[in-house]
Amino acid sequence: DSGVTQTPKHLITATGQRVTLRCSPRSGDLSVYWYQQSLDQGLQFLIQYYNGEERAKGNILERFSAQQFPDLHSELNLSSLELGDSALYFCASSVGSGLNTEAFFGQGTRLTVV
Amino acid sequence: TQLLEQSPQFLSIQEGENLTVYCNSSSVFSSLQWYRQEPGEGPVLLVTVVTGGEVKKLKRLTFQFGDARKDSSLHITAAQPGDTGLYLCAGARGGSQGNLIFGKGTKLSVKP
Repeated sequence: DSGVTQTPKHLITATGQRVTLRCSPRSGDLSVYWYQQSLDQGLQFLIQYYNGEERAKGNILERFSAQQFPDLHSELNLSSLELGDSALYFCASSVGSGLNTEAFFGQGTRLTVV
Repeated sequence: TQLLEQSPQFLSIQEGENLTVYCNSSSVFSSLQWYRQEPGEGPVLLVTVVTGGEVKKLKRLTFQFGDARKDSSLHITAAQPGDTGLYLCAGARGGSQGNLIFGKGTKLSVKP
């Protein structure tokens, strides 16, 4: 158990819908990262928040957005869903945001868009 | 185009055999990390290598960072069924954890 909690574990929804994925970081961790893992693209970095502020942005679509709340939990919002958005979405957290701070991954949310 | 190429994609071996998996790129990375991911779980960090030519050992696992910091290898000695999993390499091009570029992974199966 990494200490990072993601909910829900599985999500099935229809095209065009909007979903929210939730992440609770490890106690004391200020950084939260979101990743998307699909069979054809592998693990892709989406976005990072540090202590409530956006710190880095990766290959995140405009239909996707995220935020980190004062209690440090984070939500990833995916809207106008397409079949190609079906993937595993991981949240990771770390104490700091530098490269030498280890990031701990949650178990992921498996999103299926039908 | 995948920035980090991992090979082989799949590897199935018998318990006790040795193996090496590779992570190659035409880009220079400030550091490189190796992760292991089991089905239904998130990736778990195994090691971070920072200096060109660096070699790190973790029990039966040996990690090497290329002199030019463009490639890395992971060697497992006397593989065990518990080593089964997806091995991912990830390169950093900046100072932040968030700027990690992941390879697609090597899926290792070790049969008893």
